[in-house]
Amino acid sequence: GAVVSQHPSRVICKSGTSVKIECRSLDFQATTMFWYRQFPKQSLMLMATSNEGSKATYEQGVEKDKFLINHASLTLSTLTVTSAHPEDSSFYICSASFIETGELFFGEGSRLTVL
Amino acid sequence: DAKTTQPTSMDCAEGRAANLPCNHSTISGNEYVYWYRQIHSQGPQYIIHGLKNNETNEMASLIITEDRKSSTLILPHATLRDTAVYYCIVRGRYNFNKFYFGSGTKLNVKP
Repeated sequence: GAVVSQHPSRVICKSGTSVKIECRSLDFQATTMFWYRQFPKQSLMLMATSNEGSKATYEQGVEKDKFLINHASLTLSTLTVTSAHPEDSSFYICSASFIETGELFFGEGSRLTVL
Repeated sequence: DAKTTQPTSMDCAEGRAANLPCNHSTISGNEYVYWYRQIHSQGPQYIIHGLKNNETNEMASLIITEDRKSSTLILPHATLRDTAVYYCIVRGRYNFNKFYFGSGTKLNVKP
C-alpha cells in the first residue's frame, strides 16, 4: 500500500519552544492530509484538515494559532506546535488521502513530550 | 459523518476466527465502511473497506448487511499479532472527506 512518513518519530522539548512535525506521502500525491492527536488510552481525535495550497481547516476547539499547519506541496504537510506546554504532550498522527480510492494512509506517528 | 458503535473489547482464541461487529445505523447512501486497526504506539493500519457488497482481501473479510446499518469484520485465523484496537469508520469516498474515529474495539487474541 501507499506510504506516509512522519518525522521525527519522537521529540522532547522544553516548555515554551516550538516543534515542527513533517508528514510526507512518499509514493503518491495528496491534496488533502489530516492531522490527529491521541492521548494515552484514547482514540484518535481529528485536529485539522490540511489542503494543498490553501489554509487548513480546524476542528472545533482546536486553536489554529497554537497548531500551525502548512501544506505547501502535494507530498508534504507540516504541523508546528507553537509555544509548547506539558499539556501538549501527545501522540500526533498524520494521514494522507489517496485521490483515486479515498483510502486514508497513516504515518507512524510522532510522540511529543514537553518538559 | 455517521457515527459508529462498537463493543469496547473482545477476546478470541489464537487460530480461531475473530468477528468484530459495528453498527452504523445512520449511514448515508454514498458513505463507505472502512476498517483500520492500531497496534500500540503505531499509526492506524488500513484493513479493508466496502460500500454494500461483501469484500475480502488477504487480511480480512467485510460483511455488510443488506440495509447497510451494520457490518462485521472477520479475521479468519487470528494470531497473537492481531491483538490491536480495531476501528470501524464510515465516510464518503472523496479524498477530502474526513475520517472521525470512534472508540474502537480492543481485540485480545489469546494463546
